[in-house]
Amino acid sequence: GQNIDQPTEMTATEGAIVQINCTYQTSGFNGLFWYQQHAGEAPTFLSYNVLDGLEEKGRFSSFLSRSKGYSYLLLKELQMKDSASYLCAVRPSNAGNNRKLIWGLGTSLAVNP
Amino acid sequence: KAGVTQTPRYLIKTRGQQVTLSCSPISGHRSVSWYQQTPGQGLQFLFEYFSETQRNKGNFPGRFSGRQFSNSRSEMNVSTLELGDSALYLCASSLPGQGQGGQYFGPGTRLTVT
Repeated sequence: GQNIDQPTEMTATEGAIVQINCTYQTSGFNGLFWYQQHAGEAPTFLSYNVLDGLEEKGRFSSFLSRSKGYSYLLLKELQMKDSASYLCAVRPSNAGNNRKLIWGLGTSLAVNP
Repeated sequence: KAGVTQTPRYLIKTRGQQVTLSCSPISGHRSVSWYQQTPGQGLQFLFEYFSETQRNKGNFPGRFSGRQFSNSRSEMNVSTLELGDSALYLCASSLPGQGQGGQYFGPGTRLTVT
């Protein structure tokens, strides 16, 4: 089957750095996405990785290792507004019925003052 | 550019009834996907439509159906509602073949079945 694992909850302190991990087992791989979802709101796109390595976008960075089936989202200089759920999703293939994304359950991050 | 819109935002129905939810994608987006989100199951893919055709389908019973119109607007229908259908229903639109975070979500419809 296809599976994505992420920690359920994490806690961090304002101003600190936090790393949210995601491991996946899918029938194929054609990209990994990270989304942020605040309580009661829709998910919003954060990052996309299809090649190995680190993608940096402001305070947020995302890393991918395809051989290990592993990704992480790195949040720097944490702010209170970063308290949200972070969703990892994988597209197994770009063809046919496998174009749909497989989603993790999300990691609920609480940022404390 | 206006974002994805969904109507209604909140809905309360009783078991056995049926419901229709609507989604208007971002202008120019022709692909629309529907998801069910619950605390225990996370985001579950329902179906994807492109150019009025269902392109992908998740593992949901036949009570869940959808369609897409020529203007890319989409509707999903749930018949014979069950208590377990209570969830946030999200619609996402994207440009076809777009890889980089192509899905843009609407605010969702919160359905409560009593």
